[in-house]
Amino acid sequence: QSVLTQPSSVSGAPGQRVTISCTGNNSNIGAGYDVHWYQQLPGTAPKLLIYQNNNRPSGVPDRFSGSKSDTSASLAITGLRSEDEADFYCQSYDNSLSIWVFGGGTKLTVL
Amino acid sequence: QVQLVQSGAEVKKPGASVKVSCKASGYTFTNSYMHWVRQAPGQGLEWMGIITPSSGSTNYAQRFQGRVTMTRDTSTSTVFMELNILRSEDTAVYYCARGPRGSWLYVDYWGQGTLVTVSS
Repeated sequence: QSVLTQPSSVSGAPGQRVTISCTGNNSNIGAGYDVHWYQQLPGTAPKLLIYQNNNRPSGVPDRFSGSKSDTSASLAITGLRSEDEADFYCQSYDNSLSIWVFGGGTKLTVL
Repeated sequence: QVQLVQSGAEVKKPGASVKVSCKASGYTFTNSYMHWVRQAPGQGLEWMGIITPSSGSTNYAQRFQGRVTMTRDTSTSTVFMELNILRSEDTAVYYCARGPRGSWLYVDYWGQGTLVTVSS
């Protein structure tokens, strides 16, 4: 059972917008710790997608955006493309467990 | 460009130990933290711990305390993760991942992963 809760799967048609939620508690996201998002394409290592809630590393398209509020965060993907099919993980820090915590991952399917 | 190159796949018997290496290049090795994250087959990501390459200090997730050791060799810009008393549940891909300068709270580059299979 992951400390951060994500939907196991989301889907959308090409061109559509999807969002992935990440829910924590007052020991992690609610305690003010930033949320970061990683994209893992099939058979590859994860890649940083969003850092510190809403920042994109160089090279990440602006179709990807993040937000955070209270004890949860969201990743939004607009203009869905087939190459976006991947697993997405949120990550933060938990001060009661003193560890990094991840969401269980969300599989995005582009219909 | 930043590169993290890990050692190759390993097959180990239960009770044995494994040591995975991660050679860094393209940046100043001692300026960034290094994390280890693992992923069991078909499962999510699990953080194992962090090493500060400049000092060698470490912080491990409690569930791995006593079984994991992270070290570094500054002369070769390489970090190592050794996991002892392996069990079948330790079968996973092990990743090293670099923290950006000044932050230990996320990572910006990942190694390619090392598959460790524990089987009798």
